[in-house]
Amino acid sequence: AQTVTQSQPEMSVQEAETVTLSCTYDTSESDYYLFWYKQPPSRQMILVIRQEAYKQQNATENRFSVNFQKAAKSFSLKISDSQLGDAAMYFCAYRSGGGADGLTFGKGTHLIIQP
Amino acid sequence: DAGVIQSPRHEVTEMGQEVTLRCKPISGHNSLFWYRQTMMRGLELLIYFNNNVPIDDSGMPEDRFSAKMPNASFSTLKIQPSEPRDSAVYFCASSFGLFQGGEQYFGPGTRLTVT
Repeated sequence: AQTVTQSQPEMSVQEAETVTLSCTYDTSESDYYLFWYKQPPSRQMILVIRQEAYKQQNATENRFSVNFQKAAKSFSLKISDSQLGDAAMYFCAYRSGGGADGLTFGKGTHLIIQP
Repeated sequence: DAGVIQSPRHEVTEMGQEVTLRCKPISGHNSLFWYRQTMMRGLELLIYFNNNVPIDDSGMPEDRFSAKMPNASFSTLKIQPSEPRDSAVYFCASSFGLFQGGEQYFGPGTRLTVT
């Protein structure tokens, strides 16, 4: 079974600064997908960014980018120019590539933005 | 599109009562997932369906939980009888196969409180 580990229960960053959230995973599969989801206080789960394991290039979405290290099974999220609206819980998630399987989530990191 | 629709948004019930949570996936999506979120266990996959057929229900905690998907536009998660430890936020999500890495779109969740 796959596992996802987020070792930082809480992170704090000053507005406009850059912060990196860590995620590691364990799998024996070679084909899979990785995701970062954001959950603000409204509790709505919002997809931030996705990475296909077969792609070597790191995914980017505006101020959000990932550092995908397949051999190390590491998938960190970098948020540049942090904004107050980025404050939320962030979840790293894994999905097998073989089919439309469910997601395995990490425990989450609570991101605080200091004004 | 209206997104994934869940009802009710909040449910408060007494121990021993039957609870039914409802979900309408995004039109055209062929996979549907039920997750549960608690402080202790985080986000867990309970069950998922492909083309209305249950594929993996290994995450269903016990026989008190059951889920159905009678058609492509409706699913229910039933708890009978309910217990205080079932208190959690229950999310429904849907996706379309492997499109965009099997990205799952989440509903707003149902907050269940069992007293």
